[in-house]
Amino acid sequence: DIQMTQFPSSLSASVGDRVTITCRASQSISTFLNWYQQKPGKAPNLLIYAATSLQSGVPSRFSGSGSGTDFTLTITSLQPEDFATYSCQQSYSTSYSFGQGTKLEIK
Amino acid sequence: QVQLQESGPRLVKPSETLSLTCTVSGGSVSSSSFHWNWIRQPPGKGLEWIGNIFYTGSTNYNPSLKGRVTISVDTSKKQFSLKLTSVTAADTAVYYCARGGYSYGHYWYFDLWGRGTLVTVS
Repeated sequence: DIQMTQFPSSLSASVGDRVTITCRASQSISTFLNWYQQKPGKAPNLLIYAATSLQSGVPSRFSGSGSGTDFTLTITSLQPEDFATYSCQQSYSTSYSFGQGTKLEIK
Repeated sequence: QVQLQESGPRLVKPSETLSLTCTVSGGSVSSSSFHWNWIRQPPGKGLEWIGNIFYTGSTNYNPSLKGRVTISVDTSKKQFSLKLTSVTAADTAVYYCARGGYSYGHYWYFDLWGRGTLVTVS
């Protein structure tokens, strides 16, 4: 199984800040990496697929990078609606797996 | 637009079988462009992929749950279903159904989700 590890597990930031969340795979997954945003009581929402491609309708302040085992999600100029939990997910293996999530809170 | 809706019992007794159905409205499950997934999230914890099915009936399951999970599809009803046997309190979670789509030929992702349903084992 491919294990996905995110860090930090939680993060405090202010509106207007730039933040970076990291996701590491236990083996190389090329660019088969997706990012999701989840707000309390809601289903996750796809932000980034194939490591760097922005899903339709997602603001351009979200971006993804990385390949192999190390990936990052960057949010530039944080907006109030961006405070949520972010999860990475690999689709390299037919047995998909998620990271444990990073909770982004208001400082 | 396409929507997914989970349905089924919210309370299941230990050792019994959890059964959920996802109904696809505004679209079809009979497409080679998608697969149909079950994902769960225990209270306060991260997401766990359970398994998926293609319209052909081909399935993939999370190895950690294999042996207890069965996913099936009914194309005429536009539904796919989850059965999880021998449940314990550890199976208490919000269960989501989700559509898997892909781009660039083989980059799969979950692009459409149901609202989720909390199933408690007690």
